[in-house]
Amino acid sequence: KAGVTQTPRYLIKTRGQQVTLSCSPISGHRSVSWYQQTPGQGLQFLFEYFSETQRNKGNFPGRFSGRQFSNSRSEMNVSTLELGDSALYLCASSLQGHTDTQYFGPGTRLTVL
Amino acid sequence: KQEVTQIPAALSVPEGENLVLNCSFTDSAIYNLQWFRQDPGKGLTSLLLIQSSQREQTSGRLNASLDKSSGRSTLYIAASQPGDSATYLCAVRPYGNNRLAFGKGNQVVVIP
Repeated sequence: KAGVTQTPRYLIKTRGQQVTLSCSPISGHRSVSWYQQTPGQGLQFLFEYFSETQRNKGNFPGRFSGRQFSNSRSEMNVSTLELGDSALYLCASSLQGHTDTQYFGPGTRLTVL
Repeated sequence: KQEVTQIPAALSVPEGENLVLNCSFTDSAIYNLQWFRQDPGKGLTSLLLIQSSQREQTSGRLNASLDKSSGRSTLYIAASQPGDSATYLCAVRPYGNNRLAFGKGNQVVVIP
């Protein structure tokens, strides 16, 4: 069974631009979560989607948004990029429940210049 | 707010020694705890998941224990190998949601 895939793997943007990252969960998984990883803050939760609805949201500004499609694929968007948005963005999928293992993708490395 | 701490932040061990990695968390109201491995610049690989009702889980050379009441988990890696060099992260899933709270990780180097 294929794992979680994320595209693109690397992105370079300039301040003020916007970016869209994509995540395809493991087949059959309905929950998709997004995390930001930086050297200083570690891994921080952005949001979770389940059956096309945002089920939970972390403490990030409104510039960070996401959505989930009917096939469970998810996208996250960051508008008006700032230097501090440079990070590894990780997507995780799980079956549905809160007791299920979460499986992570390889991440998208975003660099903001 | 759940706080997850991993000590030590970094350690080096000679090949063949057993590794002991510690994770502590402040709120015992959790569904489960998951241990991950991360290689430099890569995503997270799930190693073990321990449900809150369990005391330990084993997979090959890996064994993880959970003491929910004291807010502690330990990951044991037996007979370490150079390929075990990586950062190990623990994450707890609180009651009521799917939002993992992560520690900063234990960076491990196994010296051949």
